[in-house]
Amino acid sequence: QQQVKQSPQSLIVQKGGISIINCAYENTAFDYFPWYQQFPGKGPALLIAIRPDVSEKKEGRFTISFNKSAKQFSLHIMDSQPGDSATYFCAALPIGNTGKLIFGQGTTLQVKP
Amino acid sequence: NAGVMQNPRHLVRRRGQEARLRCSPMKGHSHVYWYRQLPEEGLKFMVYLQKENIIDESGMPKERFSAEFPKEGPSILRIQQVVRGDSAAYFCASSPLGGDSGYTFGSGTRLTVV
Repeated sequence: QQQVKQSPQSLIVQKGGISIINCAYENTAFDYFPWYQQFPGKGPALLIAIRPDVSEKKEGRFTISFNKSAKQFSLHIMDSQPGDSATYFCAALPIGNTGKLIFGQGTTLQVKP
Repeated sequence: NAGVMQNPRHLVRRRGQEARLRCSPMKGHSHVYWYRQLPEEGLKFMVYLQKENIIDESGMPKERFSAEFPKEGPSILRIQQVVRGDSAAYFCASSPLGGDSGYTFGSGTRLTVV
């Protein structure tokens, strides 16, 4: 069974610090790796995504690092802000699949002022 | 652009009743996906539909659950004879082409079975 494992389960960071969330997958047949941000009572919203042909993608304060050989990818939030406090999910899309995302278990981030 | 609309936002059902969850995809989107989120867990895929067709229902429980996306109107996720374990947030997503393009989630329906 294809799985995506996410850690840590929860994370507390001071304002201005770097938040790092890690994910690992157990199957090589993925070709799209998105990260979602979810606020309480809301649906997941796409934050940033990467494909396995690149090792890093940066959008503003958010960076994805991708290590294909280790089957790992991580989200870095630079200069973390209290408004970043939310639950973050990594996900993976199987190759050839038409939209069935496999999600990690989620990380609850709290950024302290 | 109203986004993916789900209703109701909250639904309370007694054990044994039926729950009907509705999802209207974004304008121009013909692919709909349903996910279930249990407390403190990630989202689990349930079913993928296009208009009048079920494409992938590999995540649907074998009994009591069904889904449809008719030619006209919203997609419906139907849970018959609900049990306490069905209590969860149910999210719908839509995309215009399938795959990862323009994949957008709704705000979900929180189902509570009492």
